[in-house]
Amino acid sequence: GENVEQHPSTLSVQEGDSAVIKCTYSDSASNYFPWYKQELGKGPQLIIDIRSNVGEKKDQRIAVTLNKTAKHFSLHITETQPEDSAVYFCAASWRSNYQLIWGAGTKLIIKP
Amino acid sequence: NAGVTQTPKFRILKIGQSMTLQCTQDMNHNYMYWYRQDPGMGLKLIYYSVGAGITDKGEVPNGYNVSRSTTEDFPLRLELAAPSQTSVYFCASSSGDQPQHFGDGTRLSIL
Repeated sequence: GENVEQHPSTLSVQEGDSAVIKCTYSDSASNYFPWYKQELGKGPQLIIDIRSNVGEKKDQRIAVTLNKTAKHFSLHITETQPEDSAVYFCAASWRSNYQLIWGAGTKLIIKP
Repeated sequence: NAGVTQTPKFRILKIGQSMTLQCTQDMNHNYMYWYRQDPGMGLKLIYYSVGAGITDKGEVPNGYNVSRSTTEDFPLRLELAAPSQTSVYFCASSSGDQPQHFGDGTRLSIL
């Protein structure tokens, strides 16, 4: 079945610097790749997503890139701010019925 | 719109007890999902539903049951609680291939 690996598990960056989180997936048929942000005590919240017919997508300080050949996708956050501190999850679609397989998460720490 | 609402927020059960985790959504989404999240792990799909009256197993269905009698509600039932079911449970909903929207979770401890 599908497997999604996410790295690093913890990422600490200085406020104002950029952060990059990477995920790889195993099923070449996957065609939808969302990124979610989870704050303490809350459910995951979608921050950006990308479909397999697109190589890059941006939304203000957040961008996602997809390399279908290498089967990996990355989340880029520029000009990081304290409110970016959270756990970030990547996911990849698997099978029909829009099931998602999730990475294990990255705890992003923004140092003041 | 309230989105996805889960109750209760916290619960402690004894081994062997049963309970139902409630989930309701007001977005008229066809698809609903139940996940569990263990510490330091990603989400694992327990069960999902593509519409009222239709449910199917996810990755980790053992020990759980679901029903979907209405579009809005998707309760998750634990029949004989076991310590391995201590986790945070999230319900989500979506409209076809649109992003999934999550509730804030139910934190369940089984002692």
